[in-house]
Amino acid sequence: AQSVAQPEDQVNVAEGNPLTVKCTYSVSGNPYLFWYVQYPNRGLQFLLKYITGDNLVKGSYGFEAEFNKSQTSFHLKKPSALVSDSALYFCAVSYPGYSSASKIIFGSGTRLSIRP
Amino acid sequence: GAGVSQSPRYKVAKRGQDVALRCDPISGHVSLFWYQQALGQGPEFLTYFQNEAQLDKSGLPSDRFFAERPEGSVSTLKIQRTQQEDSAVYLCASSFAAGGGPDTQYFGPGTRLTVL
Repeated sequence: AQSVAQPEDQVNVAEGNPLTVKCTYSVSGNPYLFWYVQYPNRGLQFLLKYITGDNLVKGSYGFEAEFNKSQTSFHLKKPSALVSDSALYFCAVSYPGYSSASKIIFGSGTRLSIRP
Repeated sequence: GAGVSQSPRYKVAKRGQDVALRCDPISGHVSLFWYQQALGQGPEFLTYFQNEAQLDKSGLPSDRFFAERPEGSVSTLKIQRTQQEDSAVYLCASSFAAGGGPDTQYFGPGTRLTVL
């Protein structure tokens, strides 16, 4: 079954340092991969997605993610963390060829905490 | 422009009551999705509409859950005879295209349902 895993429940980083939030997915064809961020009492906000082409995808707020097919990973990265980046991050996957819908399968989420 | 809106933002129901949750998608978006997000977990797919047609309802947890989108825009998720396990945040998302895995889904702020 298609799935996505976020192995870390929480990631703590000092402001100004680089950050990485990990994501791996199960293999079934060529997936579409997404990162969403959720702030308290707000809906999910789209950050970036990988469809095809360049493995390095750039998104909103200075975030980027690298698609690695051999490792089935799609880690989220940012060169210099801000306190305002503190939030809940979700990795998600959908697959082409799904007959009737493009439903997204979400990971369990990683809470990112940036300390000043 | 206006994003996806949901109402009410918060709903408290006594066990056994019926509830109705409303979603207003982004104007012109063909696809509409409902997700359920339990506390501390990632969203889980409930159902999908392409215009007014409900093409996938495989995620609805029981026959107490019913969704409709009669005119292909606003959607209502109805839960009959609510149970405590129905307590969750219900998220609505819309996307421009019909089906098509890579299309970005835009989420509303959610309705937090608490069943006492």
